[in-house]
Amino acid sequence: EVQLLESGGGLVQPGGSLRLSCAASGFTFSNYPMSWVRQAPGKGLEWVSSITDSGINTYYADSVKGRFTISRDNSKNTLFLQLSSLRAEDTAVYYCAKLLPTTGTDYWGPGTLVTVSS
Amino acid sequence: QPVLTQSSSASASLGSSVKLTCTLSRGHSNYIIAWHQQQPGKAPRHLMKVEGSGSYNKGSGVPDRFSGSSSGAGRYLTISNLQSEDEADYYCETWDANTRVFGTGTKVTVL
Repeated sequence: EVQLLESGGGLVQPGGSLRLSCAASGFTFSNYPMSWVRQAPGKGLEWVSSITDSGINTYYADSVKGRFTISRDNSKNTLFLQLSSLRAEDTAVYYCAKLLPTTGTDYWGPGTLVTVSS
Repeated sequence: QPVLTQSSSASASLGSSVKLTCTLSRGHSNYIIAWHQQQPGKAPRHLMKVEGSGSYNKGSGVPDRFSGSSSGAGRYLTISNLQSEDEADYYCETWDANTRVFGTGTKVTVL
């Protein structure tokens, strides 16, 4: 059974940093691209970033480019998202998602809440 | 990059059917999309992918009453025999080489 479990969320001040992790199990992690998607309170889903299976190629939404960094450790079946220069508008639940190249997102984690506030 | 358009809400009676629409922007009418369901307070759940040909493939455990179809730039999700647990937000998703896009979501109310 595919399982994705995010951690690392919490309350952080504007301008601060945070590192999210996503522990994956139930599939061969190194074979699949992965992504992060966020959802601000009461709003819709917003794609944040994606990474290829090898980790060589990374992609970002314009809203986070230059501030967030996606990475992965295939030896530990873990996906990461480093959040820096955080703003109030980055407040959201952040979901880890497994991607299937011709299907889109096929599994979601339960999410971790990031709150940016002073 | 592609843009996805969804109506904000839909409603139908218990036991009836509802058809949700996701429209691809000009120049992207052949794109594959995925449908996701988000019940209140829960994470999204993948339902199916729908191709431009109209074929669809459902995710694991998705009930038979969920089906997909397409016509031109439109991609559809039909829920038959609507149940109370189908009251949720439904999002479509697509992608290209460097980006992923979600529609704004349709809130389904079961009357």
